[in-house]
Amino acid sequence: DARVTQTPRHKVTEMGQEVTMRCQPILGHNTVFWYRQTMMQGLELLAYFRNRAPLDDSGMPKDRFSAEMPDATLATLKIQPSEPRDSAVYFCASGFFQFEGWNQPQHFGDGTRLSIL
Amino acid sequence: GENVEQHPSTLSVQEGDSAVIKCTYSDSASNYFPWYKQELGKGPQLIIDIRSNVGEKKDQRIAVTLNKTAKHFSLHITETQPEDSAVYFCAASGDSNYQLIWGAGTKLIIKP
Repeated sequence: DARVTQTPRHKVTEMGQEVTMRCQPILGHNTVFWYRQTMMQGLELLAYFRNRAPLDDSGMPKDRFSAEMPDATLATLKIQPSEPRDSAVYFCASGFFQFEGWNQPQHFGDGTRLSIL
Repeated sequence: GENVEQHPSTLSVQEGDSAVIKCTYSDSASNYFPWYKQELGKGPQLIIDIRSNVGEKKDQRIAVTLNKTAKHFSLHITETQPEDSAVYFCAASGDSNYQLIWGAGTKLIIKP
């Protein structure tokens, strides 16, 4: 089975440090999503890309978060500087969306568990 | 904006019994309703989805029903097994974008 791959699986770092999370979407998928999951807020959409172009990043704190897709096989989410409130599990998901208004399943990776001390 | 409510937050059933989880949505334009299962330490995994032109869909022990008039949809799991224990999420999406609006999740516990 094709899978979304996320690295690292776990990250512990001190407040103020830069954090980079990586995602390899399923080959052939043209849309990539970044989510954050916490006990308090549930699953929050941070940003998503279609054909490597950012479509919506309104869920992301702009001053410290950035998301990019350097190529079709790699999506990155960076936090700089990191803060304790950023501690959460960050998920990447991908899907193939061909037609406007015709939703398709999103396939999730197993996440990066981030702890900011 | 769209809102999805999910009930119950925790459901405990005896192994072999059926489990039902219900979700309601607010946006009548929503047309895609997936259900995800999340096991500890894993990402959400799609288990079944339904579109607004269909009222019911089945896949082995899992079924989803959709009532567009009442704006609610439900997940039904029959003959529950220990491996069904997990957190289940419903979601809804409209036709204007690809964003999923998520329910808060239901922790399903299967008692042996």
